[in-house]
Amino acid sequence: AQSVTQLDSQVPVFEEAPVELRCNYSSSVSVYLFWYVQYPNQGLQLLLKYLSGSTLVKGINGFEAEFNKSQTSFHLRKPSVHISDTAEYFCAVIAGGTSYGKLTFGQGTILTVHP
Amino acid sequence: KAGVTQTPRYLIKTRGQQVTLSCSPISGHRSVSWYQQTPGQGLQFLFEYFSETQRNKGNFPGRFSGRQFSNSRSEMNVSTLELGDSALYLCASSPSVGSTDTQYFGPGTRLTVL
Repeated sequence: AQSVTQLDSQVPVFEEAPVELRCNYSSSVSVYLFWYVQYPNQGLQLLLKYLSGSTLVKGINGFEAEFNKSQTSFHLRKPSVHISDTAEYFCAVIAGGTSYGKLTFGQGTILTVHP
Repeated sequence: KAGVTQTPRYLIKTRGQQVTLSCSPISGHRSVSWYQQTPGQGLQFLFEYFSETQRNKGNFPGRFSGRQFSNSRSEMNVSTLELGDSALYLCASSPSVGSTDTQYFGPGTRLTVL
């Protein structure tokens, strides 16, 4: 089974500041990793995903994440945030090498960008 | 291409009733998954369908059921509603089955049980 821990439930930052949202996972098998964003009253939108290859993954809206296998982490970063980045962010894993699409999500991190 | 659509968007029911939620996947997508989102439990996997067959099921009681039709549209049903079933129910579609496929989420159906 897999589990995901998002280390911060809320992260407040000022506009144009850098931000890091932390995610650690636990799994007995290899996993694929995802970050999703949820704006108020909307569904989830994929920001980026790591399947294999380069450990630094670039996504939409200027976000990137780095997969660290030894630390079982997949932290999300953005060098300069905007007010429009205010949303809830979810880290998720899925067991690799299977034909199942069951995502296991973390509890979410609410990012609030202040002017 | 149109995204995943879910109907209705909002629903209010009373305890003991049953409810059916509908999900239309992105055109060409054949896999549909359902998730429940609550403030306390977060996002939890309900079930996954592909080619009208349930391929995977989460840890939910038998009151939760679903099905998929030949056009890949899916419905989920909750019988004998309980207060704790109040949640946002999210549907996601992907082109096929497999852990590498991106799941595209709909806006959700917010169910309130009174």
